[in-house]
Amino acid sequence: AQRVTQPEKLLSVFKGAPVELKCNYSYSGSPELFWYVQYSRQRLQLLLRHISRESIKGFTADLNKGETSFHLKKPFAQEEDSAMYYCALSDSWGKLQFGAGTQVVVTP
Amino acid sequence: GAGVSQSPSNKVTEKGKDVELRCDPISGHTALYWYRQSLGQGLEFLIYFQGNSAPDKSGLPSDRFSAERTGGSVSTLTIQRTQQEDSAVYLCASSLLLGELFFGEGSRLTVL
Repeated sequence: AQRVTQPEKLLSVFKGAPVELKCNYSYSGSPELFWYVQYSRQRLQLLLRHISRESIKGFTADLNKGETSFHLKKPFAQEEDSAMYYCALSDSWGKLQFGAGTQVVVTP
Repeated sequence: GAGVSQSPSNKVTEKGKDVELRCDPISGHTALYWYRQSLGQGLEFLIYFQGNSAPDKSGLPSDRFSAERTGGSVSTLTIQRTQQEDSAVYLCASSLLLGELFFGEGSRLTVL
């Protein structure tokens, strides 16, 4: 069965500290994984996808097939990173299965 | 328009009434998705359209829920005989590339 697990509901970090959001998945095929972000009072939007292997707003995420993980990392958190982050797994139709989400709060 | 547009943004209705939620996707996006976002349930998939057909409607919670898409563009999600547990934010998204969804701001439904 296809599943996405985000174990942390809330992550509170200080500005300038590293932040890591955990995501684990189960999928029988070749996974397509994404991170979506929802800032306060804004619409849900794509942050990054594993296949592009790029850094967006200082965030990176590496797909580890051995550990079935796709953790999101940023070395130095900023206050504007406070948001709800969702890990998502796509099926062959492009339908996304979302994790439960992690609320990130960055305090000065 | 520049993005996915949804209406109404807010809808308050009485239990038992029918509601229609509308989604205007980004022009040219062939795929359209409906999700539901509620406290404690996260983001739930409802239905997916490719063009006007719905290859995956596995997420519709009951036969009170239906959706259609016409002209490969606008989609309507209809909830009949609304119940209090239908209260949620209904999100529409459109896509051109696999997994890269553009979401609307949502329609917040409150059933009294």
